[in-house]
Parts: sequence; structure tokens; C-alpha cells
Amino acid sequence: AQSVSQHNHHVILSEAASLELGCNYSYGGTVNLFWYVQYPGQHLQLLLKYFSGDPLVKGIKGFEAEFIKSKFSFNLRKPSVQWSDTAEYFCAAHGSGNTGKLIFGQGTTLQVKP
Amino acid sequence: EPEVTQTPSHQVTQMGQEVILRCVPISNHLYFYWYRQILGQKVEFLVSFYNNEISEKSEIFDDQFSVERPDGSNFTLKIRSTKLEDSAMYFCASLAGDSDTQYFGPGTRLTVL
Repeated sequence: AQSVSQHNHHVILSEAASLELGCNYSYGGTVNLFWYVQYPGQHLQLLLKYFSGDPLVKGIKGFEAEFIKSKFSFNLRKPSVQWSDTAEYFCAAHGSGNTGKLIFGQGTTLQVKP
Repeated sequence: EPEVTQTPSHQVTQMGQEVILRCVPISNHLYFYWYRQILGQKVEFLVSFYNNEISEKSEIFDDQFSVERPDGSNFTLKIRSTKLEDSAMYFCASLAGDSDTQYFGPGTRLTVL
């Protein structure tokens, strides 16, 4: 069965620290991967996505993610976090079929201390 | 920038009551989705809707659930007889025909007492 898992449920960092959030997927066939962010009180927003090509993808707000097929991973990174990055982060993958449904990981709450 | 909107932001209901959650997708989008997130759990896919019919539904989406696009702008999720375990945040999303990015609404928090 398709699944997406995120290793870290709650991460606390100080400003300027580097961030890496883990995401692994279990899926047979072509996989399309996403990272969404939900700031407090706001809706889910797309940070970045990978469909094909360069496995290192850059998104908004200085985030990037690397698709490593051999590890079934799509980890999110940011070299230096800011207080405004405090949010919940969701890794997701397109499910099978062509309806575009998303399969989400559990989410990671990131708290950045000023 | 156009956004997906949802109303109400918070709905409290008694067990066994019917609720309708409303969503206004982005106007030129063609694909519509409902997801839910029970507190502390994953965001789960419920249903996808295209061309005025359900294109896929999950095991969660049983006979108690229905969706409708009654007037070409609203996209509703109805739960006929709510259960305690329906308490969750419900997200609507929409997708343009030529895109691969779903846009999400802010969610409706449903509390069933």
C-alpha cells in the first residue's frame, strides 16, 4: 500500500540553525512528491514539488528537498531557519491512479526559537 | 492571488445530526477534493470530484458522506448522521486542469459532541 512517513513529529530549533526534515515514501512506480507547509491559522501551502529531472528541487522561502530514489526519501532542508518558519510541514505523494489525490505523512511541527 | 475558501471555520454539532461543510474552489479549477485530519493523525484523502461526479473515494467515505457541486461555484461535503469519530479538521482542495498543484482551503474544524 502507498504510504508516506515523516520521522520527526516535533522539532525545536534556534534561529539560524539548519533544518532537515525526513520523509520516506513507499510506492511502486513513478512517484510525484510534495512538501506543504501550514503556518498557524493559515491554509496548507505548497513549498516545493518533485516530478522528474533534477533530484534537488528548490522551493519558496529558501527551502529545498532532495529526491533519493535508492532511499525512497525526499527530505526537506533549509540552511538557516527563521522564527517565521514556525509551522507544520507535510510531506505528500500522489497516489496511484490519475485522480490527483495526495497521500500525506504525519506532519512535523517545527518550532523556531528567536 | 485567488484562494480556496471554506465555511464555517468551526462547526459544533450533536452526534446524529447532519452537517454540510462548504467550500468555494478557485474559479477555473476542474478537480476538487476533500481531506480530513483527525487531531494528532495524518491528513487523509476522502474523495475526489471531477466533471460533476466522484472520481475516487477512500474507505472512509462511506454512505454517510456525500459531495455536491450544486451551483458551479460551491463544493459541499455532507455528513448525514455524524459520529463522534467524525470530529476532525476537514480540508477542501482544488486543482486546475493544466496543473499538478492542489490549492487548499483553511479548513473547517468539526466537533461532534
